[in-house]
Amino acid sequence: RKEVEQDPGPFNVPEGATVAFNCTYSNSASQSFFWYRQDCRKEPKLLMSVYSSGNEDGRFTAQLNRASQYISLLIRDSKLSDSATYLCVVNLYGQNFVFGPGTRLSVLP
Amino acid sequence: SAVISQKPSRDICQRGTSLTIQCQVDSQVTMMFWYRQQPGQSLTLIATANQGSEATYESGFVIDKFPISRPNLTFSTLTVSNMSPEDSSIYLCSVGLAGSLQETQYFGPGTRLLVL
Repeated sequence: RKEVEQDPGPFNVPEGATVAFNCTYSNSASQSFFWYRQDCRKEPKLLMSVYSSGNEDGRFTAQLNRASQYISLLIRDSKLSDSATYLCVVNLYGQNFVFGPGTRLSVLP
Repeated sequence: SAVISQKPSRDICQRGTSLTIQCQVDSQVTMMFWYRQQPGQSLTLIATANQGSEATYESGFVIDKFPISRPNLTFSTLTVSNMSPEDSSIYLCSVGLAGSLQETQYFGPGTRLLVL
């Protein structure tokens, strides 16, 4: 089983739609979690950290379920500029970051 | 965050040659990393660049193929040695920075390498 798994997509959604991405991880001792965004031909950029209580940043909401080893990202009122690949990242404290394969999102006009 | 630059941004190389990629950070950082991202794939960690000591390589990567230098806390180099077309990839350096609650990684713009 891969350490971090994501639905590769692509997710094609109209502007204004709400879209949710899921991510599962295999190591129950993982301690920190992130969502990164990668635009085509660009480097990954931190979108948001994921905290145990869940957290929100504008149109973006991240949730963590440690019991199910599951992370989610919800994007509300999606914009054309949200089109990108979203990478789920898991870190076992003191160890290395493990990147998921990414989920590709296309927001259509 | 930190400002991270990489040189070169891209290169086309002949097989059998070597290329050295530079990574410069605008502030001193403890943790620096080198990743590879092959076409259509996610990121794979090559090694952690340790200041003043040998890099720590991940499974599948060896020092002879990917020698790394880390002479100080703001600079590192990765060399791709004896290149083959399979080495065509994007190579990214990243730095680990302490966030408000947990350490986070920030990436340089990457070096696109094509080996013919």
